[in-house]
Amino acid sequence: EPEVTQTPSHQVTQMGQEVILRCVPISNHLYFYWYRQILGQKVEFLVSFYNNEISEKSEIFDDQFSVERPDGSNFTLKIRSTKLEDSAMYFCASSGAGLSNQPQHFGDGTRLSIL
Amino acid sequence: AQSVTQLGSHVSVSEGALVLLRCNYSSSVPPYLFWYVQYPNQGLQLLLKYTSAATLVKGINGFEAEFKKSETSFHLTKPSAHMSDAAEYFCAVSAGNNRKLIWGLGTSLAVNP
Repeated sequence: EPEVTQTPSHQVTQMGQEVILRCVPISNHLYFYWYRQILGQKVEFLVSFYNNEISEKSEIFDDQFSVERPDGSNFTLKIRSTKLEDSAMYFCASSGAGLSNQPQHFGDGTRLSIL
Repeated sequence: AQSVTQLGSHVSVSEGALVLLRCNYSSSVPPYLFWYVQYPNQGLQLLLKYTSAATLVKGINGFEAEFKKSETSFHLTKPSAHMSDAAEYFCAVSAGNNRKLIWGLGTSLAVNP
């Protein structure tokens, strides 16, 4: 069964450094998402992406965050200058075309630790 | 706006016993509801979904959930728990044309031998 893959599984970065989290969505999916889960808190929506542009973003997704689909297969989340509070598990998801009730398929996540 | 409340952050059952994980939602428009499971060190796996068709939804691994509009609930059940069901379970909602998922806090299920 096709799956969403995320790399790396764990990223440790110094505060203030840039980090790029990578995702390969399911190949025929058209909608892509990033979520994060801070330890002990709810999973939170960050951003959705469709047709090479952001379709929705949350308040969390400020100017420090950006997303890109550089080559038609990868979907990346960049954090320009990381803060301690960016430490979380980041999940990438994708969903197919059609109605908005299409289920989202998730990767195994990247655990981001900011020191 | 939508929201999800999962009652009980930790649930413990004996192997073979009924599993009941509670989820209540709030939505100003007809919701789409999902249950996901997360096994240790793994991602979020879809268990089942409600998308306005049948109110009783069957999912993978013997789980099912019933959409009750009058109670704004979407509780997850399984008649007989297995040790392998031990995991974190998340209820999520989306609505209308908005695809973003709003999540509950999750319920950790422990299954005792």
